[in-house]
Amino acid sequence: DGGITQSPKYLFRKEGQNVTLSCEQNLNHDAMYWYRQDPGQGLRLIYYSQIVNDFQKGDIAEGYSVSREKKESFPLTVTSAQKNPTAFYLCASSPYSSGANVLTFGAGSRLTVL
Amino acid sequence: AQKITQTQPGMFVQEKEAVTLDCTYDTSDQSYGLFWYKQPSSGEMIFLIYQGSYDEQNATEGRYSLNFQKARKSTNLVISASQLGDSAMYFCAMRGGDYGGSQGNLIFGKGTKLSVKP
Repeated sequence: DGGITQSPKYLFRKEGQNVTLSCEQNLNHDAMYWYRQDPGQGLRLIYYSQIVNDFQKGDIAEGYSVSREKKESFPLTVTSAQKNPTAFYLCASSPYSSGANVLTFGAGSRLTVL
Repeated sequence: AQKITQTQPGMFVQEKEAVTLDCTYDTSDQSYGLFWYKQPSSGEMIFLIYQGSYDEQNATEGRYSLNFQKARKSTNLVISASQLGDSAMYFCAMRGGDYGGSQGNLIFGKGTKLSVKP
């Protein structure tokens, strides 16, 4: 079955450490996205990518980095520069990033800073 | 700036009854799209229904329908015949900007928590 796989589902990090969240899709979608969700809040866009080797900052990109070396993969690194990284992270993809295209989401990764 | 507002933090509905979840939006774009997603306690976001700004008829998908009032900039989700499995967070989202360009990302509201009572 086609879909988006995020790993790990749960991740604990000590302050000052970088961590990388994995996102892989087999939907042959061109566009991929990373969103952050805090308790009681909606989703906020961190980064998005429309094609391989290209990506753009979203609304809250500070303290995060991404890469898009393959169409299927869009990993997110939470760096030590991110002051409040504890959150639920959702990866999504769509055929392209405009119009009525529906975003398909992964199951999410929950990051906790100890 | 684009904005989505969901004013109901939580809603209760009796099983088998209908419920309406409110959503208003703000945009200066002429062309935009409106989406509703469901988020169960497991965390994944599930697409429910879409309405384009130029669609003349309200969208329907099974038990889900939209009450789209363009002049009032509202797109309320109606769930008919509620089921226990409908208990979840519901998010309204908008995609605006240049449909053919790069700003095709979704802007989300804060969500409404729906609880279905047996």
